[in-house]
Amino acid sequence: EAGVTQFPSHSVIEKGQTVTLRCDPISGHDNLYWYRRVMGKEIKFLLHFVKESKQDESGMPNNRFLAERTGGTYSTLKVQPAELEDSGVYFCASSQSWTTGVTEAFFGQGTRLTVV
Amino acid sequence: RKEVEQDPGPFNVPEGATVAFNCTYSNSASQSFFWYRQDCRKEPKLLMSVYSSGNEDGRFTAQLNRASQYISLLIRDSKLSDSATYLCVVNMEHGTASKLTFGTGTRLQVTL
Repeated sequence: EAGVTQFPSHSVIEKGQTVTLRCDPISGHDNLYWYRRVMGKEIKFLLHFVKESKQDESGMPNNRFLAERTGGTYSTLKVQPAELEDSGVYFCASSQSWTTGVTEAFFGQGTRLTVV
Repeated sequence: RKEVEQDPGPFNVPEGATVAFNCTYSNSASQSFFWYRQDCRKEPKLLMSVYSSGNEDGRFTAQLNRASQYISLLIRDSKLSDSATYLCVVNMEHGTASKLTFGTGTRLQVTL
C-alpha cells in the first residue's frame, strides 16, 4: 500500500514567488495534516482537514498560506508570495478516523522549501 | 515555555547501553502521547504510543505520568541502528479536530 506522498521533494524559489506543495494521503484516511519544521526548531502544526473540511487551521502563519483539499482526497498548500522565513521542511500526515481508536499519523517524506 | 520539552542531547552511548529520554508537557488536557523516531532527513515515524499503565515493545519501554505531565522512553541494549532523533509527541483533540504537538527531539548516537 502506498504511503503518504508529497511533491515536490525539494523546491527552491525566489522571494516573492509562489509555490504549491501537494500531498496525497493514504487511501481511506479522512484526516490530513500539514506540519512544518524550520531550521533548528521543532515540527509545528499548521492545519488539519477531515475530508474536505478544515477542522483546525490555528497553526497557519499568515494569509500568505492557503491550504485546500479538493473532494477530500489530495491536498495542496500554496505559499504566495513566499518570504525567506518560509524556508523549511513541510510535512504532510494522514490518519484514519477516530472510531478506530488511537490513530497513528503517517508522515510523508516532506517537501524541503528554500526561499532565496 | 514550550508545550513539549525535551533534552535535545545528543546522547552518545556505547552499543548495549541502556538510555532514557524524558519529556514534559504543559497542557494537562492532552489526551494521547507518542514517541516518534526521525532519521536524518527523513520523515517522523511512530515508534510507540504511550499509555498510562506503561507499555513495552521489545527493547523499548514507555511510561506516562499524567499527574507530573511527564513521559519517558527507555531503550535497553542499544543498537547502532537506534541512532536517530526521538520525538516526544502529544495529541490534543477538540471535537473532530486533532493536533500533534512535537518536542524538539532528543538525538541519540550509539557507537561501537
